[in-house]
Amino acid sequence: DAGITQSPRHKVTETGTPVTLRCHQTENHRYMYWYRQDPGHGLRLIHYSYGVKDTDKGEVSDGYSVSRSKTEDFLLTLESATSSQTSVYFCAISDRREGSYNEQFFGPGTRLTVL
Amino acid sequence: AQSVTQLDSQVPVFEEAPVELRCNYSSSVSVYLFWYVQYPNQGLQLLLKYLSGSTLVKGINGFEAEFNKSQISFHLRKPSVHISDTAEYFCAVSGRNTGNQFYFGTGTSLTVIP
Repeated sequence: DAGITQSPRHKVTETGTPVTLRCHQTENHRYMYWYRQDPGHGLRLIHYSYGVKDTDKGEVSDGYSVSRSKTEDFLLTLESATSSQTSVYFCAISDRREGSYNEQFFGPGTRLTVL
Repeated sequence: AQSVTQLDSQVPVFEEAPVELRCNYSSSVSVYLFWYVQYPNQGLQLLLKYLSGSTLVKGINGFEAEFNKSQISFHLRKPSVHISDTAEYFCAVSGRNTGNQFYFGTGTSLTVIP
């Protein structure tokens, strides 16, 4: 298994509180991603990073921010959590090799409940 | 942007029967195609991928998929399913024009009935 950990694995919080989820990798992959998974929607990209301090928005970025200060860590922050952000969050990593595209490797997920 | 359509949200099948999970995507230009499996309360793991070459791709656990450029499809098949194949299956597409972004389908829930 690729060395990807997510913390916390489960979190319950209240509306309006800030929340930070952490993704940590030991594979030295360049690309890192945050997805949310909801029934009927599959996986939707929130933000991604293509290098240290280089990030970009995905399909559902409103209400989320990210930071990547070093290769191995990618943080997802909900500045003021809302009930619509109750979801399972997955981190993924990948690395582009010359002439091919490698698959994304996924972390175990974080189940977030916003009351 | 690419889009991925998984035509069946739920597929029940009896044990040892064959199964096909369907996937269509929006553009055949320079695409790379993937199938992932997600077991309950776990992350996604790669079943198989198509990057180039032979259009028939074999993956883990006896699964295979065929890239059909004219029909822009990448259907997943298994000739005989097992109880342990019960899981959620996701089709995904990436490509030279998408950076390293992946686009996922909404998933197909496969239930194998004893």
